[in-house]
Amino acid sequence: AQSVTQPDIHITVSEGASLELRCNYSYGATPYLFWYVQSPGQGLQLLLKYFSGDTLVQGIKGFEAEFKRSQSSFNLRKPSVHWSDAAEYFCAVVYSNSGYALNFGKGTSLLVTP
Amino acid sequence: GAGVSQTPSNKVTEKGKYVELRCDPISGHTALYWYRQSLGQGPEFLIYFQGTGAADDSGLPNDRFFAVRPEGSVSTLKIQRTERGDSAVYLCASSPDGLNYGYTFGSGTRLTVV
Repeated sequence: AQSVTQPDIHITVSEGASLELRCNYSYGATPYLFWYVQSPGQGLQLLLKYFSGDTLVQGIKGFEAEFKRSQSSFNLRKPSVHWSDAAEYFCAVVYSNSGYALNFGKGTSLLVTP
Repeated sequence: GAGVSQTPSNKVTEKGKYVELRCDPISGHTALYWYRQSLGQGPEFLIYFQGTGAADDSGLPNDRFFAVRPEGSVSTLKIQRTERGDSAVYLCASSPDGLNYGYTFGSGTRLTVV
């Protein structure tokens, strides 16, 4: 079955430190990959997406992600975290041969300390 | 409207009752999706509309769940004979067409079945 794994349920980083959130997807057809952020009481906001081409993708709010096919990974990074980045982060995948339903991971909760 | 609007934002209902959840997508978006997010989980796909028709309803958990989009704009998710296990946040998303996977999500309806 298609699946997305986010190994870290919770991550705590200090403000100004770098951040990497991990995401692994199950092997299958060509994956289309996404990262969403969800703040309390808010809807999901798209940070970035990868369809094809350059494997390093730039998104909003200073986030980037790198697609590594050999590792089935699509990790999210940010060089310097701000307190406002505290939220829940979801990785999602849809495969080129499986329609349009996004398959989400369980999420990683980010806490930012002063 | 500027974003995807979902009403009500909160709904408390008694076990066995019928509920309707409304989604008003971004004007002009032909694709509309419903997802369900349980506590501590990522969103799970329920149904996808392209225009007025349900292009994929494979995520609906059982025949108590039904959704319509009669005029290709507003959609209603209907749940009959609600059960406590139906308690979750129901998310709606829209996109310009089914090929643009970067959906815009609404803030959701939190359904509590008591």
